[in-house]
Amino acid sequence: QVQLVQSGAEVKKPGASVKVSCKASGYTFTNYGISWVRQAPGQGLEWMGWISAYNDNTNYAQKLQGRVTMTSDTSTSTAYMELRSLRSDDTAMYYCARDPSPHSGSYWDYWGQGTLVTVSS
Amino acid sequence: QSVLTQSPSASGTPGQRVTISCSGSSSNIGSYYVHWYQELPGTAPKLLIYRHNQRPSGVPDRFSGSKSGTSASLAISGLRSEDEADYYCAAWDDSLSGWVFGGGTKLTVL
Repeated sequence: QVQLVQSGAEVKKPGASVKVSCKASGYTFTNYGISWVRQAPGQGLEWMGWISAYNDNTNYAQKLQGRVTMTSDTSTSTAYMELRSLRSDDTAMYYCARDPSPHSGSYWDYWGQGTLVTVSS
Repeated sequence: QSVLTQSPSASGTPGQRVTISCSGSSSNIGSYYVHWYQELPGTAPKLLIYRHNQRPSGVPDRFSGSKSGTSASLAISGLRSEDEADYYCAAWDDSLSGWVFGGGTKLTVL
């Protein structure tokens, strides 16, 4: 069965960086993409970006350009999302989600369990 | 302020039919597929409807989606208590060159 298992909760200070992992299993990793979506406490969903596990093409949300980097490791079927220069308003639950298209974004059919990132001094 | 507009709340009694709307523009809903996600309390979002009106396997046919112009709708018939959740619409947006969500609709089953 398809599973996306994310790394554990993180507490970071303002200005620091965080790297969240998303390990995929139950399907051929390189046939799909991975999107990252976050949700601040009590708020709605926000798309952060997408990476193709097929060719490592990426597309980042304009708002996060320059602060976010998404990578993938096909040898371990793991996707990573790194966010730099953290601010208090980056405090959120971060989700990875599988995208059926390896060439461009489409929709997200399986989701990880979420990783809570707290930014606090 | 979300790019796609949803009513913040909706409600219904068991067995009723409720509709949740999602309004956008020509740069998103008017030109691209709309997808719907269900977020049950304390859990990750789940794909409910994709490409306007397609249901993934395992999603009951009580859930249906439609699109007209720059708006889309999610309909839930035969409402059940376990349908109480937040519902989000999503679509690609040309102006932002990215995916956008509605602000979410909290459905309460009375």
